[in-house]
Amino acid sequence: SYELTQPPSMSMSPGQTARITCSGDALPKQYAYWYQQRPGQAPVLVIYKDKERPSGIPDRFSGSTSGTTVTLTISGVQAEDEADYFCQSADSSGIITVFGGGTKLTVL
Amino acid sequence: QVQMQESGPGLVKPSETLSLNCSVSGVSISFYDWSWLRQSPGKGLEWIGYIYSSGSTNYNPSFKSRVTISLDTSKNQFSLRVNSVTAADTAVYFCASFTSGAHYGMDVWGQGTTVTVSS
Repeated sequence: SYELTQPPSMSMSPGQTARITCSGDALPKQYAYWYQQRPGQAPVLVIYKDKERPSGIPDRFSGSTSGTTVTLTISGVQAEDEADYFCQSADSSGIITVFGGGTKLTVL
Repeated sequence: QVQMQESGPGLVKPSETLSLNCSVSGVSISFYDWSWLRQSPGKGLEWIGYIYSSGSTNYNPSFKSRVTISLDTSKNQFSLRVNSVTAADTAVYFCASFTSGAHYGMDVWGQGTTVTVSS
């Protein structure tokens, strides 16, 4: 079955730039989405169609893509950005939705 | 403004059927596509399936035909049924929607409801 691979964890200091990667063979053909999930809360969409930002999401969140890897960049990390981040995409057929395992971002 | 709220039993016995509803306010469920997802304790998100505005469905094959998602336009809600549950089905279940369109991501989520499978 198709998988998306993310690093399990990342630690940053406030003000630094966090880059969270997500790798998958079908990513050159399928859009990627990123969700932020704080403890005990529902996920929130922060990036759609690889690099677009929904209204209300701070512009320090950005997305990019290169080959089989997509990246969520958080520029100038803040304490409130401490959360789990999940990438989501589809397999090569576009039928099956898949999530990455998630990256826990800790802001020290 | 679209809002969604999951409801259903918090405890289900093994081998029985898990049934959840997602009540939608702010828009008719006939307009958008809808999704069920879950998150096992301490784990990541797992997609269960979609039901499209047309009424057609798309399920995660890993559920091996145990899952049914349906629309109830009279109540403006959609539902999830998972048959033959085991402890592995213990999770927080979320409903979500694509209010901006299919390629714009799941932009509205319910708060989630916890389901425990135990005798």
